[in-house]
Amino acid sequence: KQEVTQIPAALSVPEGENLVLNCSFTDSAIYNLQWFRQDPGKGLTSLLLIQSSQREQTSGRLNASLDKSSGRSTLYIAASQPGDSATYLCAVSGSEKLVFGKGTKLTVNP
Amino acid sequence: EAGVVQSPRYKIIEKKQPVAFWCNPISGHNTLYWYRQNLGQGPELLIRYENEEAVDDSQLPKDRFSAERLKGVDSTLKIQPAELGDSAVYLCASSLGGRAGNEQFFGPGTRLTVL
Repeated sequence: KQEVTQIPAALSVPEGENLVLNCSFTDSAIYNLQWFRQDPGKGLTSLLLIQSSQREQTSGRLNASLDKSSGRSTLYIAASQPGDSATYLCAVSGSEKLVFGKGTKLTVNP
Repeated sequence: EAGVVQSPRYKIIEKKQPVAFWCNPISGHNTLYWYRQNLGQGPELLIRYENEEAVDDSQLPKDRFSAERLKGVDSTLKIQPAELGDSAVYLCASSLGGRAGNEQFFGPGTRLTVL
């Protein structure tokens, strides 16, 4: 059974800092990995999707990497801003079902 | 282009009452998912539809939960009767389908509170 773990559970940083969120999964047989953002009381916004054949994806200040063999992914956020404050969820797809981690709650302080 | 639409956004009911949630997926998306997200947890899949067929409902508590996707577009998720433990956010998602690993797009969710 696939299990996804996200570390840390919460993170507080000053504005402008570069930061890394970690995601690990137990079964490397995946089709892809998605990073989502969730604001309080809102749904999930897809940030980046990495196919299993890819090593990384970039969108603006976000960069996600995937090491399928070791079961790890990282989400790098450059020059963090208060507007980046949200919960970030990692999810892996081994079939049509996404298996999520519990998320990392990020707070960026002005 | 409109995203995934869900209604209502919030629902408060007393236990043992019925409740229904509605989802309209992105146009052209054949695959529709219902997830449940408990507080502080990631979403968990309840049911997946390919067009109008429920192809994965293994996690749906069938004694009280039911779902339908008539005509392969809109979908309704129902709980009858609701229990206190059903309080959660119910998320609908859709994808193009046709192959595994397609990107999933989520709606804003329905926050259910059972008193």
